Amino acid sequence: QVQLVESGGGVVQPGRSLRLSCATSGFTFSGFGMHWVRQAPGKGLEWVATISYGGHNDFYANSVKGRFTISRDNSNNTLYLQINSLSVEDTAVYYCAKDPRPRYSSGWYASWGQGTLVTVSS
Amino acid sequence: DIVMTQSPDSLAVSLGERATINCKSSQSILYSSNNKNHLAWYQQRPGQPPKLLIYWASIRESGVPDRFSGSGSGTDFSLTISSLQAEDVAVYYCQQYYSTLPWTFGQGTRVEIK
Repeated sequence: QVQLVESGGGVVQPGRSLRLSCATSGFTFSGFGMHWVRQAPGKGLEWVATISYGGHNDFYANSVKGRFTISRDNSNNTLYLQINSLSVEDTAVYYCAKDPRPRYSSGWYASWGQGTLVTVSS
Repeated sequence: DIVMTQSPDSLAVSLGERATINCKSSQSILYSSNNKNHLAWYQQRPGQPPKLLIYWASIRESGVPDRFSGSGSGTDFSLTISSLQAEDVAVYYCQQYYSTLPWTFGQGTRVEIK
């Protein structure tokens, strides 16, 4: 079955960088668009970034544009999120999520990982 | 950006009773080209990631119990749990995926047992 396992979170100081990973299995990774969605402690869900199945197109929320970079390694079935210039407002659980259908961005998030917590604190 | 507003923020329902959550979009999310409402519902149990329940406003995801149903069109939508079970205690989110990004979520509705 579909498995998404995030890693790379931790406690980091403001202004520093972090790279999150999402290791996947159970489906043909190279055929599906992928997403990052975050959730600040006790708050709701916020879409962060999306990458097309081939990796040629990426999209970002205004709140992270210019600081976050989504990428993928289709040979290793892994999704990444590079986060630069971290601020306390970036403190959240970061989830990776998968499109429901291959080679087409349906709009909803069919499968989610368990998330990785990023805490930005001095 | 399309703003999604859920009501109420929380509700307490007795076991076996009906729970209804409302979701209102700041503009219509009924896409004329496919005549579909671009709305999904998710359930997030405590300490768990969100789980997809419904898409296209009323289509249940595979494996979701039929006590969950979605309805509505245009700007006004509802998620109904026909007979609340203990395992349904969770926060529920609506999400629109109309047109271009960003696809946005409602603020969430907490469902508890009365």
